[in-house]
Amino acid sequence: GQSLEQPSEVTAVEGAIVQINCTYQTSGFYGLSWYQQHDGGAPTFLSYNALDGLEETGRFSSFLSRSDSYGYLLLQELQMKDSASYFCAVRARSNDYKLSFGAGTTVTVRA
Amino acid sequence: GAVVSQHPSWVICKSGTSVKIECRSLDFQATTMFWYRQFPKQSLMLMATSNEGSKATYEQGVEKDKFLINHASLTLSTLTVTSAHPEDSSFYICSAREEASTGELFFGEGSRLTVL
Repeated sequence: GQSLEQPSEVTAVEGAIVQINCTYQTSGFYGLSWYQQHDGGAPTFLSYNALDGLEETGRFSSFLSRSDSYGYLLLQELQMKDSASYFCAVRARSNDYKLSFGAGTTVTVRA
Repeated sequence: GAVVSQHPSWVICKSGTSVKIECRSLDFQATTMFWYRQFPKQSLMLMATSNEGSKATYEQGVEKDKFLINHASLTLSTLTVTSAHPEDSSFYICSAREEASTGELFFGEGSRLTVL
């Protein structure tokens, strides 16, 4: 099966930078995705990495190292609206390419 | 991005009744849709994969007779929670993937079910 580990909580102030790490164990790794979920809402897609390296999308960036089975989501210039849960999710051949989610990291942004 | 619509957003029902939740892809065709369940402060757990024109594939531990899934068209999948009990109260979320995408999964708004 798949297993993913990410920190449960992170707190930071507005304007700060937060890095959420995600380590995974799976066979037949295909790609790592990141989703944001506000309280009571549905997850929204943030980024996807299939190859090693950094993907930048505005204030958010995502990194993947396939050899280390590791990735991270970088949130820059934090804003209050970034307070949410962030999930890493892995797709793997061994799981028919279905998404398996980590437990989620709750990010709290303080003024 | 693609839009997935889910209905109803909220539903409260009595124990023993059945509840149907609809999931529609509004601007793309989805041969495959996924149904997730999420308890408060927990992760999304995949319940089943809904395949257009064929039977759904259920994850281990999910009762197929309890959670009926029908994917009758390329834009609609339904989840029916049969004979609902309080322990079925949860946030149910559907998702769909454009086949041409690079892995992006689009989620519906979710349906919060409360069984009294």
